[in-house]
Amino acid sequence: DTEVTQTPKHLVMGMTNKKSLKCEQHMGHRAMYWYKQKAKKPPELMFVYSYEKLSINESVPSRFSPECPNSSLLNLHLHALQPEDSALYLCASSRTFISGANVLTFGAGSRLTVL
Amino acid sequence: AQTVTQSQPEMSVQEAETVTLSCTYDTSESDYYLFWYKQPPSRQMILVIRQEAYKQQNATENRFSVNFQKAAKSFSLKISDSQLGDAAMYFCASPHSGGGADGLTFGKGTHLIIQP
Repeated sequence: DTEVTQTPKHLVMGMTNKKSLKCEQHMGHRAMYWYKQKAKKPPELMFVYSYEKLSINESVPSRFSPECPNSSLLNLHLHALQPEDSALYLCASSRTFISGANVLTFGAGSRLTVL
Repeated sequence: AQTVTQSQPEMSVQEAETVTLSCTYDTSESDYYLFWYKQPPSRQMILVIRQEAYKQQNATENRFSVNFQKAAKSFSLKISDSQLGDAAMYFCASPHSGGGADGLTFGKGTHLIIQP
C-alpha cells in the first residue's frame, strides 16, 4: 500500500462548528505532516509529527489542533475557524532519514470551506 | 528555513517539445536534497524527481531530467517530449530545515500548459 488517504474530500463548516480531518497511511512511515494550500499558492507547512510526537508547529493558530493517535493515523481537529481558513489541507508522510532525503508522499487533500 | 524561488509563474509548450522550468534556492547546508513535485488538477502532489546535492551527476527519470548547478544554487527541470498529461503546477522544493523529517519548503510554482 503506497497511498495516503484523506477524508473527507470536501468539508463545509460554519464558524462555530467542530470538525476533524483524517489522514491514514500504511507504508510504515514514522513522519506525518499537515500542509495548508490556498488557491494558486504553494503548500505551507503547518505541523510535523515524528514517531507520533509533535516536532514542528509553524505558529499555527490554536483553532487548529493536530493529533497523532498512532503511527498510521493523523487527525486535524478544527474549531471556531474563520472564512480565511478555507483552503486545501494536504496530509503527507515520509520516512525519517536524518539526511533530508525524505520523499513526502501526499494524499489528495481535503477541501475545506468555512462559511 | 531554506528558501526556494521559482520565477516563472506560467510556461506554455507545444506537445512533443521540450521545456525547462527554473528554480533557485538558498541553503547553508553542505549536503541536502532538492525535489520537483507536480500537482495536476486532481490536487495530489506527485514526486517527479529528486537530486542529492553531493552527486555530480544530474538526476534523470524517463523524460524528466534536472540541470543542477550547485555553485549557482540552481535546480532546473527539463521535460522532453512534452505530453498532455504533463500539464500541471510544478513546485521546486527543499527540506524545510535542512534535514531530518522536517517537511519540505516549496517555491511558488510554475503552471505548465501543454498546447496540443
